[in-house]
Amino acid sequence: EAGVAQSPRYKIIEKRQSVAFWCNPISGHATLYWYQQILGQGPKLLIQFQNNGVVDDSQLPKDRFSAERLKGVDSTLKIQPAKLEDSAVYLCASSLRTGTGGTGELFFGEGSRLTVL
Amino acid sequence: AQKITQTQPGMFVQEKEAVTLDCTYDTSDPSYGLFWYKQPSSGEMIFLIYQGSYDQQNATEGRYSLNFQKARKSANLVISASQLGDSAMYFCAMRVDNQGGKLIFGQGTELSVKP
Repeated sequence: EAGVAQSPRYKIIEKRQSVAFWCNPISGHATLYWYQQILGQGPKLLIQFQNNGVVDDSQLPKDRFSAERLKGVDSTLKIQPAKLEDSAVYLCASSLRTGTGGTGELFFGEGSRLTVL
Repeated sequence: AQKITQTQPGMFVQEKEAVTLDCTYDTSDPSYGLFWYKQPSSGEMIFLIYQGSYDQQNATEGRYSLNFQKARKSANLVISASQLGDSAMYFCAMRVDNQGGKLIFGQGTELSVKP
């Protein structure tokens, strides 16, 4: 079974430029998450999708970050304009579980490492 | 508010010995799940073990076991017979069951296994 796919793995941009990250979840996983992991910290949820609807985007800096999952499968996270503090690894994850019962573990991709200069 | 706390930024253990990584959590919801993930230097998050709040017994998965003390709100990870490949960051995470499945992560503990 293929895992969560993310691209690009690495990206270096100047501040105020834009960047986009792509994620393809595990086939059949209805729930998709984007996490931001700053060096030395734990991952922080940016946005959660259930199919193509947003479940939680309370911690997404909406003035510069946007995300979409138009057909309920793959997703794109965009940052425009980027700031120095956006330097981080952006992790995409997916899961089967949406309600109670079961483990509900998240399956993570390898991440996209962003450096903003 | 829900929170996960890992108070050990770094830990050292001798190869073949056991090590305990601490995790405490805070939630007022009765139904939740606790997870441990391993993150090697390659960056991918690897699921290790899960404990549900209503599970009567501590979870075990091979060399990993979870010491779940509900009254103390702790969910420590025990790794037995440490191997050099266990060197990595370890994250404790919590899912509150009425909040859509997202995980809240702690700050992580960096484990180094010495030969």
